[in-house]
Amino acid sequence: DSGVTQTPKHLITATGQRVTLRCSPRSGDLSVYWYQQSLDQGLQFLIQYYNGEERAKGNILERFSAQQFPDLHSELNLSSLELGDSALYFCASSVGTGRGEETQYFGPGTRLLVL
Amino acid sequence: QKEVEQDPGPLSVPEGAIVSLNCTYSNSAFQYFMWYRQYSRKGPELLMYTYSSGNKEDGRFTAQVDKSSKYISLFIRDSQPSDSATYLCAMSDTGGGADGLTFGKGTHLIIQP
Repeated sequence: DSGVTQTPKHLITATGQRVTLRCSPRSGDLSVYWYQQSLDQGLQFLIQYYNGEERAKGNILERFSAQQFPDLHSELNLSSLELGDSALYFCASSVGTGRGEETQYFGPGTRLLVL
Repeated sequence: QKEVEQDPGPLSVPEGAIVSLNCTYSNSAFQYFMWYRQYSRKGPELLMYTYSSGNKEDGRFTAQVDKSSKYISLFIRDSQPSDSATYLCAMSDTGGGADGLTFGKGTHLIIQP
């Protein structure tokens, strides 16, 4: 158990809908990262938040957004869902900004299925 | 050309064998190299972390980095059925992944009892 929690574990929804995925980092970690894992693209970095502020962006679509709250939990919002958004979404956390020899700890993931 | 190439396997070996897993990459700015293990329906778990070139050993696991060839390896000695999983290499130029980690697609490893 990494100490990172994600809810829900599974989510089934329809095209065009909007969903929210939630992540709680390990106790004491200030950075939260979101990743998408699909069979064809592998594990891809979406976005990073550090202590409430957006710090880095990866391959995140404009239909997706995220935020980190004062209690450091984070939410990833996915809107206007398409079939291709079906994937595993992972949250990871690290103690600082992510520089140097810092480890990212991954949560168990949320499996999203868009029908 | 993808930034990180990794043979997806599956790679099937008998219990007790030495396993060699590899990744090649194209971005010469990468300095931090990691191996993650991912069991089915679970999140990735960090196995090894190496900075720059060289070797690092931890129990049955050895990580090697050859920056001149842009090639990294993970060796597993005395492989066990519990080592059956997908192994992902990951890299970063800024350390722990301040701008996110770049992953290979993973190699599916099967250790036959």
